[in-house]
Amino acid sequence: GENVEQHPSTLSVQEGDSAVIKCTYSDSASNYFPWYKQELGKRPQLIIDIRSNVGEKKDQRIAVTLNKTAKHFSLHITETQPEDSAVYFCAASIYKGNKLVFGAGTILRVKS
Amino acid sequence: GAVVSQHPSWVICKSGTSVKIECRSLDFQATTMFWYRQFPKQSLMLMATSNEGSKATYEQGVEKDKFLINHASLTLSTLTVTSAHPEDSSFYICSAPRDNLYEQYFGPGTRLTVT
Repeated sequence: GENVEQHPSTLSVQEGDSAVIKCTYSDSASNYFPWYKQELGKRPQLIIDIRSNVGEKKDQRIAVTLNKTAKHFSLHITETQPEDSAVYFCAASIYKGNKLVFGAGTILRVKS
Repeated sequence: GAVVSQHPSWVICKSGTSVKIECRSLDFQATTMFWYRQFPKQSLMLMATSNEGSKATYEQGVEKDKFLINHASLTLSTLTVTSAHPEDSSFYICSAPRDNLYEQYFGPGTRLTVT
């Protein structure tokens, strides 16, 4: 089955700096890659996603890149702010509405 | 956006008792719902796929007789933790895709504590 690895497990950055979180997946059939932000005790919140037919997607300070050949995708957050501090999860799924396989998560701390 | 609710939001039960958690899609129909479990400081792990009108599909290592899933309607799936033990204490979250789209909508989660 699908396996998703996520790095780093923790990331501390200074406010205003950029943060990058990387994930690799094992199943070449996966075609949907969402990123979630989760605050303590809350549900995961979708922040950006990408499908396998594109290589990059951007939404204001957040961007995701996908390399299908290498089977890895990355989350980029620019101009980080203290409110960006949370746990971030990447995930992968094979087709529409199918189960998500999550990475282990990254604790992001933005120091002001 | 689509709304998924869960009830209860938190529950405390005694060891050996059963607890039922409900997951509802409030403004759309969901033929499929997913149940995840999240232990403290860990990721979300899929437990089972709930299918409306048919048996649930369980992930490897998840006991189907302990975690009973019923998807009796297009808007409701229930997860019953039977004979709960302290090691079952966790955050249980459901999700549902809408209209066969890619995005999944998560419920707010249920915090289960077994004493």
